[in-house]
Amino acid sequence: EPEVTQTPSHQVTQMGQEVILRCVPISNHLYFYWYRQILGQKVEFLVSFYNNEISEKSEIFDDQFSVERPDGSNFTLKIRSTKLEDSAMYFCASRLLALDEQFFGPGTRLTVL
Amino acid sequence: DAKTTQPNSMESNEEEPVHLPCNHSTISGTDYIHWYRQLPSQGPEYVIHGLTSNVNNRMASLAIAEDRKSSTLILHRATLRDAAVYYCIPVNYNQGGKLIFGQGTELSVKP
Repeated sequence: EPEVTQTPSHQVTQMGQEVILRCVPISNHLYFYWYRQILGQKVEFLVSFYNNEISEKSEIFDDQFSVERPDGSNFTLKIRSTKLEDSAMYFCASRLLALDEQFFGPGTRLTVL
Repeated sequence: DAKTTQPNSMESNEEEPVHLPCNHSTISGTDYIHWYRQLPSQGPEYVIHGLTSNVNNRMASLAIAEDRKSSTLILHRATLRDAAVYYCIPVNYNQGGKLIFGQGTELSVKP
């Protein structure tokens, strides 16, 4: 069964460093999302991406964040200068068609020291 | 975004049915009602969704009130693997289809 994959599973970085979290959505899907979950808190929407552009972003998704679909398979989230409060689990999700459900990846745990 | 209200927690016995309620009184006419769950240390997982009619799939059934202000997720025979946090989420596809997670209902299943 096709699935969303994410790498790495755990990323440790120093405050102020740039990180890139990688996702491979299900191959024929058209809509892509990033969410995050701070430990013990609820899952929060960050950004949605369709047709090679951001379709919506939350207040969390400020200028330090960017997303890219550099080729036909990868979908990346970049944090330019990480802060301690960026420590969280980051989930990528994708969906095929307009009225479909989202499929989530296993997540990348980001730890900022 | 429509607000939802779910019980913080529920308990069930293994192999018994479970009815998980959700109130979404501010739902708009075009919002679909989605249910997702999150097992411990995993990403969210889709369960079921519907607009107006009741829906069934291999995982669960979704009963939607006639006025659409509430819905109930039905697990017909709970297993230990169904222990998770269940989220009811109105989804507006005109706004990109993003998921706004609330606190959800933590379901525990006793053997």
